[in-house]
Amino acid sequence: SQQGEEDPQALSIQEGENATMNCSYKTSINNLQWYRQNSGRGLVHLILIRSNEREKHSGRLRVTLDTSKKSSSLLITASRAADTASYFCLYYTGGFKTIFGAGTRLFVKA
Amino acid sequence: KAGVTQTPRYLIKTRGQQVTLSCSPISGHRSVSWYQQTPGQGLQFLFEYFSETQRNKGNFPGRFSGRQFSNSRSEMNVSTLELGDSALYLCASSFLRDGLMNTEAFFGQGTRLTVV
Repeated sequence: SQQGEEDPQALSIQEGENATMNCSYKTSINNLQWYRQNSGRGLVHLILIRSNEREKHSGRLRVTLDTSKKSSSLLITASRAADTASYFCLYYTGGFKTIFGAGTRLFVKA
Repeated sequence: KAGVTQTPRYLIKTRGQQVTLSCSPISGHRSVSWYQQTPGQGLQFLFEYFSETQRNKGNFPGRFSGRQFSNSRSEMNVSTLELGDSALYLCASSFLRDGLMNTEAFFGQGTRLTVV
């Protein structure tokens, strides 16, 4: 498999709660990106964090990157039912090969 | 600006047949990548093209091939289809100012291929 590791595999929370998902990678990276996928459709880009950045915010999203641990986390604050989706991290190895994390399925209960 | 367009959206083929899927990237994007998504294997990288050159290929058999045209549109072909090739095939385009994978990718809605 060419996948990175992501946890948890699935997460079920109540509306208004925060959701945190993690991504581990094995190679050195230039950047790491997070995507959302609704019901097996195309992926939507959420946020890109570069290797020299430690934290990045976009609206209710907060992404951290720890290059020493080769890990990243995505935090969604004050979740909504519309956040129900699968979330994937993506990064590139040397040589233009893309690796996706296994994904976290988030279910937000109204 | 039009998004990434994949055609067809749905396809049913018989084992042994071959199939060609098409991807039109966002205007100005020169990099096109292809991915296979299955419940068991998740999202797997197939190949990436930049300015008509395949720069990398994932761990797929030679039955999977692709190409990119001078207008950046890309096609992927799967020959001698197997049941296990049933999947959602996604393509993504990127604007790479310096040819490096440093920018976001824009995904199409995918082609759902069913092999019977």
